[in-house]
Amino acid sequence: DAGVTQSPTHLIKTRGQQVTLRCSPKSGHDTVSWYQQALGQGPQFIFQYYEEEERQRGNFPDRFSGHQFPNYSSELNVNALLLGDSALYLCASSLAGVDEQYFGPGTRLTVT
Amino acid sequence: QKEVEQNSGPLSVPEGAIASLNCTYSDRVSQSFFWYRQYSGKSPELIMSIYSNGDKEDGRFTAQLNKASQYVSLLIRDSQPSDSATYLCAVPPRDDKIIFGKGTRLHILP
Repeated sequence: DAGVTQSPTHLIKTRGQQVTLRCSPKSGHDTVSWYQQALGQGPQFIFQYYEEEERQRGNFPDRFSGHQFPNYSSELNVNALLLGDSALYLCASSLAGVDEQYFGPGTRLTVT
Repeated sequence: QKEVEQNSGPLSVPEGAIASLNCTYSDRVSQSFFWYRQYSGKSPELIMSIYSNGDKEDGRFTAQLNKASQYVSLLIRDSQPSDSATYLCAVPPRDDKIIFGKGTRLHILP
């Protein structure tokens, strides 16, 4: 049973650039949530996708956008990168109507 | 008041002893609660879910929930060095988003 997968594992970008992170949910799951985790902090909710639509959004600017595909996989896009966007980006999958979320290994983004 | 609060630690516990981790939350309508374990440099791993008042046991782990006091705890019996990690308390999807505490760093002393 495949778990949640994310790519790439690590990424280094320069300020002002754009980045796309990818996530494939756990087999049987249809909902994907994205989180940003800064060092020493808990994960902060960015947004959640279900049925290819954004269902809920946290306190993140419009530079953060996403997409969900018909196969339930998802992308997180960040435009105009800032130094403060350096963090571990986590994808979590779940089944609609079930609270439990399972995390992928994350993507470590460094902005220089 | 922060939505989910945890003591950041570090909490140091001798090997073989009981580790007690605590979490308080502000949303009275919350119905389910989660504990995640996160090793340094890794992603969070779900270790316990609890939905009803009282205790829920799973191996060496016991989650305790008191909705009246808005308090949830995690007990780890017979602590092992491999239990050294950060433990994150997570409050249920409210408007479809989980709120995490900052986590408590646990250090098991050999």
